Amino acid sequence: GENVEQHPSTLSVQEGDSAVIKCTYSDSASNYFPWYKQELGKGPQLIIDIRSNVGEKKDQRIAVTLNKTAKHFSLHITETQPEDSAVYFCAASRGSGGSNYKLTFGKGTLLTVNP
Amino acid sequence: IAGITQAPTSQILAAGRRMTLRCTQDMRHNAMYWYRQDLGLGLRLIHYSNTAGTTGKGEVPDGYSVSRANTDDFPLTLASAVPSQTSVYFCARGHSPVETEAFFGQGTRLTVV
Repeated sequence: GENVEQHPSTLSVQEGDSAVIKCTYSDSASNYFPWYKQELGKGPQLIIDIRSNVGEKKDQRIAVTLNKTAKHFSLHITETQPEDSAVYFCAASRGSGGSNYKLTFGKGTLLTVNP
Repeated sequence: IAGITQAPTSQILAAGRRMTLRCTQDMRHNAMYWYRQDLGLGLRLIHYSNTAGTTGKGEVPDGYSVSRANTDDFPLTLASAVPSQTSVYFCARGHSPVETEAFFGQGTRLTVV
């Protein structure tokens, strides 16, 4: 089955700096890679995702890059703000058909943005 | 916004007792999932259902059962709770058109004592 590794487990940055979280996956058939943000006491919220037919996707201050050859993808947050503080999870999935909808998650990164 | 309702929000349960966690969606999506979240282990899939009437096992299914009698409801049952099932449980639904994305409920915090 799929195995997703996420690094770092904790990340502390100063407000205004950039933050990068990296994930690797093992299943070469995976083609869907979402990122979730989880605030304290809440469920994970989808913030951005990328599919294997693109290498980069951007949405305001967040971007995701994908390298299918190396089987890794990364989340980039620019101009960080205190409200970006949360746990971030990456995930991977084969993305379509039958039992392959299932997402496999990384173990999460606790991001702290210091004012 | 996600259209997923979980109940209860929290529960303290005596070991050996039976417990059903409820999950209901109002978007009529085919795929639904149950995850447990534990510190340092992230989110692990317990069971899933691709359509009403079908279910499948995830990464950590032992001690849990599910049913999918209709599209909207996907209850998770612990037949005889054990302390290792203390966790936060999240139900999620898929999202059209390919049901790939998962949208999560707010979670149920379960403590087995």
